[in-house]
Amino acid sequence: QKEVEQNSGPLSVPEGAIASLNCTYSDRGSQSFFWYRQYSGKSPELIMFIYSNGDKEDGRFTAQLNKASQYVSLLIRDSQPSDSATYLCAVTPEGEYGNKLVFGAGTILRVKS
Amino acid sequence: DGGITQSPKYLFRKEGQNVTLSCEQNLNHDAMYWYRQDPGQGLRLIYYSQIVNDFQKGDIAEGYSVSREKKESFPLTVTSAQKNPTAFYLCASSPRDRNEQYFGPGTRLTVT
Repeated sequence: QKEVEQNSGPLSVPEGAIASLNCTYSDRGSQSFFWYRQYSGKSPELIMFIYSNGDKEDGRFTAQLNKASQYVSLLIRDSQPSDSATYLCAVTPEGEYGNKLVFGAGTILRVKS
Repeated sequence: DGGITQSPKYLFRKEGQNVTLSCEQNLNHDAMYWYRQDPGQGLRLIYYSQIVNDFQKGDIAEGYSVSREKKESFPLTVTSAQKNPTAFYLCASSPRDRNEQYFGPGTRLTVT
């Protein structure tokens, strides 16, 4: 069973701080990694994705991959109260038919003003 | 506007009734997916389809059925055989040869 693990949180950070969210995955052959943000009662929204060839920065968000330790991180700089949400990590399992993703259960982030 | 629509937003049914959830996309995406989300849990894949007239079971297909007669549409039927149907149902789609998935707004199904 291919798994994606996330600390459920909540992770509480003060406004303006850096929020660091982590996700570990079991499938060593995974090549694609995704971060989704889900506000309470809403559907997930794709915010970042990276491939096994490197990290990525987009505005206040940075996604980093550590293949050796099999974890992927999402850093949110200058955290805002509007960043408060559940962050879902998803991974493409190796060798699976189609473009399937395996999702973690998510980490709740709370940014306090 | 391009996007994924799901209807209805809320759905209430009595136990023993089949119910069909709608999912339509105008993004010209080839692949479509159905997930279920329960409180405090991640997304679990029910069914997915890579092309028209073809679909595959996901991890929790029992009690569900789908069809893919058109590229734009991927309806999900929750049958009376599904033991715990109350959940938040999410439809997603992805472009050909890409892994990123985009979600519709979801349908909350309550069965009593």
